[in-house]
Amino acid sequence: AQTVTQSQPEMSVQEAETVTLSCTYDTSENNYYLFWYKQPPSRQMILVIRQEAYKQQNATENRFSVNFQKAAKSFSLKISDSQLGDTAMYFCAFMKHERMAEYGNKLVFGAGTILRVKS
Amino acid sequence: GAGVSQSPSNKVTEKGKDVELRCDPISGHTALYWYRQSLGQGLEFLIYFQGNSAPDKSGLPSDRFSAERTGGSVSTLTIQRTQQEDSAVYLCASSFARVSTDTQYFGPGTRLTVL
Repeated sequence: AQTVTQSQPEMSVQEAETVTLSCTYDTSENNYYLFWYKQPPSRQMILVIRQEAYKQQNATENRFSVNFQKAAKSFSLKISDSQLGDTAMYFCAFMKHERMAEYGNKLVFGAGTILRVKS
Repeated sequence: GAGVSQSPSNKVTEKGKDVELRCDPISGHTALYWYRQSLGQGLEFLIYFQGNSAPDKSGLPSDRFSAERTGGSVSTLTIQRTQQEDSAVYLCASSFARVSTDTQYFGPGTRLTVL
């Protein structure tokens, strides 16, 4: 079974500064996907960024980037130029790769990190 | 187009009553997932539907929980004889699932409170 660990329950950052959220995972799988989702107070889970394990290059999406260390099973999220709208709960998630779609692919989530951006 | 929608947004019920939670996936998405988000257990997978295949029910916590998906679209999660520990936010997600790892898009959830 896979597990995902987010060791930072809460973090704060000043507006315009950079913050890094940590995530580690445990799996015996070689092919998998990793995600960061954001959940603001509205409860809507929003995909922030996605990383395929077979890709060595770290994924980036505008101000969001990841540091994916496959050997260390680490997947941290860096938010640059933090904005007030980034305030939310952030979840790291793991998805096993299945060759056949009908086998399904549940997401395994970490406990989440509450990020507060201060003005 | 429209995102995943869920209803009701909030539901308060008395212990022992049955509840039904509804999910409308994004049009064209063939895969549908239910997750539960609670203070004590975090985010947990409940059940997965994909096309005409048998659903993956491996995450359902007890036989009081069931779900169906009619016509390959709308899904209903039913909790019978609700207990206080069922209080949680129930999230639905859908994806194209053309390949097994398509991104899942979430609805806003239903907050269930069992008194």
